Amino acid sequence: EAAVTQSPRSKVAVTGGKVTLSCHQTNNHDYMYWYRQDTGHGLRLIHYSYVADSTEKGDIPDGYKASRPSQENFSLILELASLSQTAVYFCASSDRGNTEVFFGKGTRLTVV
Amino acid sequence: GDSVTQTEGQVALSEEDFLTIHCNYSASGYPALFWYVQYPGEGPQFLFRASRDKEKGSSRGFEATYDKGTTSFHLRKASVQESDSAVYYCALGEDTNAYKVIFGKGTHLHVLP
Repeated sequence: EAAVTQSPRSKVAVTGGKVTLSCHQTNNHDYMYWYRQDTGHGLRLIHYSYVADSTEKGDIPDGYKASRPSQENFSLILELASLSQTAVYFCASSDRGNTEVFFGKGTRLTVV
Repeated sequence: GDSVTQTEGQVALSEEDFLTIHCNYSASGYPALFWYVQYPGEGPQFLFRASRDKEKGSSRGFEATYDKGTTSFHLRKASVQESDSAVYYCALGEDTNAYKVIFGKGTHLHVLP
């Protein structure tokens, strides 16, 4: 079964600190995504990637970096965490464009 | 840019009621359209997709028809159950950039027993 695993599942970070959210998929998918979920905003695309060593900006990339060192791994990096980045973050993968996207269980990030 | 609009933020129904969740899109070209469902503590799960005008997608008793004329992809179910309580997301895959999937804000369905 397709699997997308996120770590950690929950994190409390200090304002101004660096945060790295990790994602690992065993689906052998080329495409990976990071979404942010906020009440009233739904799911918003932060960064995505369709090949290792390359990332693309989504709709809300400011304040976030992404890294895709291999097909299986995709990280989201907050260099200077801010209160406004408190949210639930979802990693996802898909086989190709315009097909089913498989999501992880999410990481709840609280910035204090 | 492309966008998806779900007009209902929350919908409350009783068991066996008919469900409609509205989804309209704005996009250049011919996007693929999707419905996803999210249960508490989980990530969104794919329900079904449609990729051409008048195509019907369906799964688990839910269905939606791609309507290019009205730019809509409304979700319907004839008889909801309490277990259908969840958040439902409409989404589109851009025609010019198939890797980019854009989601609506979601509709929270509450089904009362």
